[in-house]
Amino acid sequence: EAGVAQSPRYKIIEKRQSVAFWCNPISGHATLYWYQQILGQGPKLLIQFQNNGVVDDSQLPKDRFSAERLKGVDSTLKIQPAKLEDSAVYLCASSSSRAQGSPLHFGNGTRLTVT
Amino acid sequence: GQNIDQPTEMTATEGAIVQINCTYQTSGFNGLFWYQQHAGEAPTFLSYNVLDGLEEKGRFSSFLSRSKGYSYLLLKELQMKDSASYLCAVRRGGATNKLIFGTGTLLAVQP
Repeated sequence: EAGVAQSPRYKIIEKRQSVAFWCNPISGHATLYWYQQILGQGPKLLIQFQNNGVVDDSQLPKDRFSAERLKGVDSTLKIQPAKLEDSAVYLCASSSSRAQGSPLHFGNGTRLTVT
Repeated sequence: GQNIDQPTEMTATEGAIVQINCTYQTSGFNGLFWYQQHAGEAPTFLSYNVLDGLEEKGRFSSFLSRSKGYSYLLLKELQMKDSASYLCAVRRGGATNKLIFGTGTLLAVQP
């Protein structure tokens, strides 16, 4: 079974620029998550999709961050404009359902550096 | 609200046993996960507990007490490759069933 695919692996941008990350979840997984992980901290949930609908985006900074999952498969996360504090690893994860025991499977993440 | 506490760092010796504790406060508890994360890599799933008691999986075991808001991950026969961050994550029930992570415990295994 192929895992969660993310690209790019690394990205360096200047503040106020825009950036986009892409995620392809495990085939058949209905639930997709974007997490932000700042160095030395645990992952923080940004947004959660169920198929192509948003079920939780309460911690997404909506003035600069946006995400979509138009066809219920791939997803993109965009930051515009970026700030220095956005430097982090952006992890995409998927699970087969929102059932309580269903584990999340993570991609390798995109490491973003904002200078 | 939600609060998950873990020790920041731990050190243990190869071949020994180590216990990593996690305490949590949450509304609508719906299960607890442990993940392992090596530096620069993605978190990988280790264990899941939703009922009180011990779940054993090879060298790793996880324990849960819902009444105390407490879990631990037990690693036996430590190997150098077990040096990693261990993340406790609580699933909060409700419409989203979201998974909230603690800050992680960085375990260093020494020869």
